Amino acid sequence: GAVVSQHPSRVICKSGTSVKIECRSLDFQATTMFWYRQFPKQSLMLMATSNEGSKATYEQGVEKDKFLINHASLTLSTLTVTSAHPEDSSFYICSSHSGEFSTDTQYFGPGTRLTVL
Amino acid sequence: AQKITQTQPGMFVQEKEAVTLDCTYDTSDPSYGLFWYKQPSSGEMIFLIYQGSYDQQNATEGRYSLNFQKARKSANLVISASQLGDSAMYFCAMREGPGGYQKVTFGIGTKLQVIP
Repeated sequence: GAVVSQHPSRVICKSGTSVKIECRSLDFQATTMFWYRQFPKQSLMLMATSNEGSKATYEQGVEKDKFLINHASLTLSTLTVTSAHPEDSSFYICSSHSGEFSTDTQYFGPGTRLTVL
Repeated sequence: AQKITQTQPGMFVQEKEAVTLDCTYDTSDPSYGLFWYKQPSSGEMIFLIYQGSYDQQNATEGRYSLNFQKARKSANLVISASQLGDSAMYFCAMREGPGGYQKVTFGIGTKLQVIP
């Protein structure tokens, strides 16, 4: 299957700082990437859909100015959590659609665990 | 209404036995896709199996099979010959619409524990 990487895998930061998370598709071109957030013992909640070369589409209730998404190339999408606060602590995971391997399957990265002190 | 419903918060299965994880879905879109993912304690989401709404046969991938009952809107995952490494959270998910670029909605998951 397709390989998606995320960096960093774990980050701890102080309240008020910004954190950038990278999502890369390693062996295919991804025109669309998705960003999810997962709180402990809960399901994945879609935050936004990232399209290469255009603005991201955010889900209702997700602040676009707080969660900045940039999909500058076909292999890289970044999520920046700006002015992070403790309530932003969560597991952030990206996924990517690959038409090359399957017309429908989304493959996930390993996730990034963010802890805001 | 919930788009994806998983009613089993936790399941136990004896090693080498088969287990069925339930999933029902709700959509009015004639074109949709159903997924099952496995999430071990490490957190990564591992794709297991996919079923398209127009697929005539139930999907199978090794020890995983999807019992697709369209009229009942159910997409249960069957794991045969359970192994200790199968212990994990399992999420059922649905994509509405024909394209893989469409967003996916997840159920709340079922925690499976395989007993030696």
